[in-house]
Amino acid sequence: KNEVEQSPQNLTAQEGEFITINCSYSVGISALHWLQQHPGGGIVSLFMLSSGKKKHGRLIATINIQEKHSSLHITASHPRDSAVYICAVFLNTDKLIFGTGTRLQVFP
Amino acid sequence: DGGITQSPKYLFRKEGQNVTLSCEQNLNHDAMYWYRQDPGQGLRLIYYSQIVNDFQKGDIAEGYSVSREKKESFPLTVTSAQKNPTAFYLCASSMMMVISGELFFGEGSRLTVL
Repeated sequence: KNEVEQSPQNLTAQEGEFITINCSYSVGISALHWLQQHPGGGIVSLFMLSSGKKKHGRLIATINIQEKHSSLHITASHPRDSAVYICAVFLNTDKLIFGTGTRLQVFP
Repeated sequence: DGGITQSPKYLFRKEGQNVTLSCEQNLNHDAMYWYRQDPGQGLRLIYYSQIVNDFQKGDIAEGYSVSREKKESFPLTVTSAQKNPTAFYLCASSMMMVISGELFFGEGSRLTVL
C-alpha cells in the first residue's frame, strides 16, 4: 500500500462545478503540500499546510491530522484549472513522499 | 523574475551515452533537488544538495551523478549505467531543506533513450 493515496485518479467536470480531490496518508507527517502540474510538465506549489484550512482565490485546502486526510477544493471550476494535482507529505523524518496525482479535466 | 530554469526541455540520446541536464536557480535558495517522474508513479528523489560542494543520494541515485559547484547550479548527469533512463526529470529548490519551506520547481526535462 502506498503511503500517500489520492482519489480520484481521474476527474472530469463541467465548467462551474465544485471539485474535490482527496489525499489520505498512513504515516505521521509534519506538513502536507498540494501541487499543480501543468500539461507542459512544470509544477507550481499551491498550498503547504499542517493544520486547519487555507484559501487562495477559488482554491481551498483542508487537513485533518487525526484522520490523516486532506482535501483540495476548487470552486467555480474553469477549463484553465485542467491539470494534474499532486499531494505530497512531509514525514517526521524530513522525507517528502508524493502521491501519484489526480488528473482533472474541466470542459466548457 | 526569480525562478528555476531547466534545459533542455526535450532530449534524445542513444543507449550507452551519458547526458547532462541543466538546472539553474536565481532564488538564492540553499537546497536543490532532482526528481524523476514516471507514468503512474509519484515523484521520486534522485539527489539533493543542501549547500555548495555537498550533495546526498536520494531514493533512486543509481546510474545518476550530480555536482554543486555553485549555489545557483545543480546539474544532473544520467549515465549509461542507468538502466531505464527514459523519464521526465524535475529540478526543485527551497530556501532550506524541504521540511522548512516551500518547494519551487522548474519546467522539467523529458529524456528519451532511443
